Amino acid sequence: GQSLEQPSEVTAVEGAIVQINCTYQTSGFYGLSWYQQHDGGAPTFLSYNALDGLEETGRFSSFLSRSDSYGYLLLQELQMKDSASYFCAVRGGATNKLIFGTGTLLAVQP
Amino acid sequence: NAGVTQTPKFRVLKTGQSMTLLCAQDMNHEYMYWYRQDPGMGLRLIHYSVGEGTTAKGEVPDGYNVSRLKKQNFLLGLESAAPSQTSVYFCASAPSQLDRGSNQPQHFGDGTRLSIL
Repeated sequence: GQSLEQPSEVTAVEGAIVQINCTYQTSGFYGLSWYQQHDGGAPTFLSYNALDGLEETGRFSSFLSRSDSYGYLLLQELQMKDSASYFCAVRGGATNKLIFGTGTLLAVQP
Repeated sequence: NAGVTQTPKFRVLKTGQSMTLLCAQDMNHEYMYWYRQDPGMGLRLIHYSVGEGTTAKGEVPDGYNVSRLKKQNFLLGLESAAPSQTSVYFCASAPSQLDRGSNQPQHFGDGTRLSIL
């Protein structure tokens, strides 16, 4: 079967750094994406890794290790507005179909 | 830019009723997708389309049908609604891409909240 695992909840304080892990088991793999969702609204794209290593976009970074079927999203200098759900998603092939994890609810506290 | 627009935003149905959810995108994207999101289960792909006139099954297609008669529109139909189909439905679109190294992210609509009584 195909599955992605990520922690259900993470809590951190403003200004801190938090890492959200994702392990996956899928039949095909083109890359790993991360999406953010506020209060059940439209998910929005954060990052994509097709190759091993770290991708940095402002305060957010994403890492991939294909040999370990593992990735993580790193959020630095946390702000209250970062409180949201974060989903990892595997792109399985050329049609850009995504298989989503169950999401991690991040709560940022003052 | 409107992006991806879903109608309606909310709907309550009785068991056995039928309805169609409409998704429209103005970005000239080739690919379109329908997902459902249930508490604690993330987003699950129902059906998708890689171009006008094409459709394909996703992870959870049973009980749903789709049509893509025009490139900009992707319709999701429930022929006989069941309480198990109570969910939030998201539509997404993306440009075509074959290169695994690059990424064209999916753009999501705001969702349709559907309750089946």
